[in-house]
Amino acid sequence: GAGVSQSPRYKVAKRGQDVALRCDPISGHVSLFWYQQALGQGPEFLTYFQNEAQLDKSGLPSDRFFAERPEGSVSTLKIQRTQQEDSAVYLCASSLFAGGDEQFFGPGTRLTVL
Amino acid sequence: QKEVEQNSGPLSVPEGAIASLNCTYSDRGSQSFFWYRQYSGKSPELIMSIYSNGDKEDGRFTAQLNKASQYVSLLIRDSQPSDSATYLCAVSSHTGGFKTIFGAGTRLFVKA
Repeated sequence: GAGVSQSPRYKVAKRGQDVALRCDPISGHVSLFWYQQALGQGPEFLTYFQNEAQLDKSGLPSDRFFAERPEGSVSTLKIQRTQQEDSAVYLCASSLFAGGDEQFFGPGTRLTVL
Repeated sequence: QKEVEQNSGPLSVPEGAIASLNCTYSDRGSQSFFWYRQYSGKSPELIMSIYSNGDKEDGRFTAQLNKASQYVSLLIRDSQPSDSATYLCAVSSHTGGFKTIFGAGTRLFVKA
């Protein structure tokens, strides 16, 4: 399919472990967003890429969170020293144009930190 | 004050009725407004976008925007049980960043 894909779909980590979540956006999409969604809440913005440039990382909750998109396509969200409060669904979305208005979401990665 | 506010619901309407979903936002610099639908256990799916004051219709859906009142709404005509989902209002502003802010969503139930 030509949609946004994410892997893994489910991740269980022990507290203190590092995790890496991958996002494959729709081919040719300039904009890429990462969101964190807790149960019963709307997606919460984490960071935004325009091609390979990370133009907004104001939503990253701590310096344990790091994202990259080195070639302007695939993106990885890394969480170091995971904590229980990091348990959530992590959503990736891509958009055709810069600024990223109409976004297409991937299926998400459900992270559970024990 | 939350930046994007929605009534959490649940909103229950009978099949065939009009469902009305509302959203208010705090940033007057907001430029783009969206409604997403999210089924339980799934990711959000874009339904409508609206950028200027007034109404925008697409099939059974009508989005309404009033920037002076900082208010966005979504009307669903001839509601179907398959419309039962959480509806997320999203607002973006490119002044000072590239955030898209989502509301917590309104749960809609359409009773057959």
